[in-house]
Amino acid sequence: KAGVTQTPRYLIKTRGQQVTLSCSPISGHRSVSWYQQTPGQGLQFLFEYFSETQRNKGNFPGRFSGRQFSNSRSEMNVSTLELGDSALYLCASSLAQGPTNEKLFFGSGTQLSVL
Amino acid sequence: AQSVTQLDSQVPVFEEAPVELRCNYSSSVSVYLFWYVQYPNQGLQLLLKYLSGSTLVESINGFEAEFNKSQTSFHLRKPSVHISDTAEYFCAVSRAGGTSYGKLTFGQGTILTVHP
Repeated sequence: KAGVTQTPRYLIKTRGQQVTLSCSPISGHRSVSWYQQTPGQGLQFLFEYFSETQRNKGNFPGRFSGRQFSNSRSEMNVSTLELGDSALYLCASSLAQGPTNEKLFFGSGTQLSVL
Repeated sequence: AQSVTQLDSQVPVFEEAPVELRCNYSSSVSVYLFWYVQYPNQGLQLLLKYLSGSTLVESINGFEAEFNKSQTSFHLRKPSVHISDTAEYFCAVSRAGGTSYGKLTFGQGTILTVHP
């Protein structure tokens, strides 16, 4: 079974631009979550999607948005990029069938650099 | 809201020595507890988790963690580490009983470096 796939692996943008990151979850997984990882703030939850609906959202500005498609693939978008948005963006998928069997499977991430 | 504090940012240790990575959490509601490991240039992988029941949980590669409710701790231990255990370890919590399984609150991470 293929793991969680994130594309692209690396991305360089300039301030003010927008960016779209993609995540393909493990086949059969219905929940996709996004995290931002930086050396200063660590891992911070962005949002979670389940069956194309946003189920939870972290404390990030409205410039950060996401969506999930009917095949569970997800995208996140960051508009009007700022230098502080430079980070590793991680996507995680899960079955979302209850806590007993629950675990998050993480992708390798997209490293975004904003110049 | 929940918060997680990992008390050591870096832990150096020699091969075959025991190790403990400390984690404390704060929450006004019941939580599930997790340890994730991140090897260089890889995504995070679940190491072990505590949901309920026995307070001692074990992983397949020799790590164990004990949930201590009175001290709000979930320390990770291994009696004898190997070079291959070198990685960054993250303690995390999620709200128990909810349906948002994807929302975890992570600690800042502990870099475990095993020296030969």
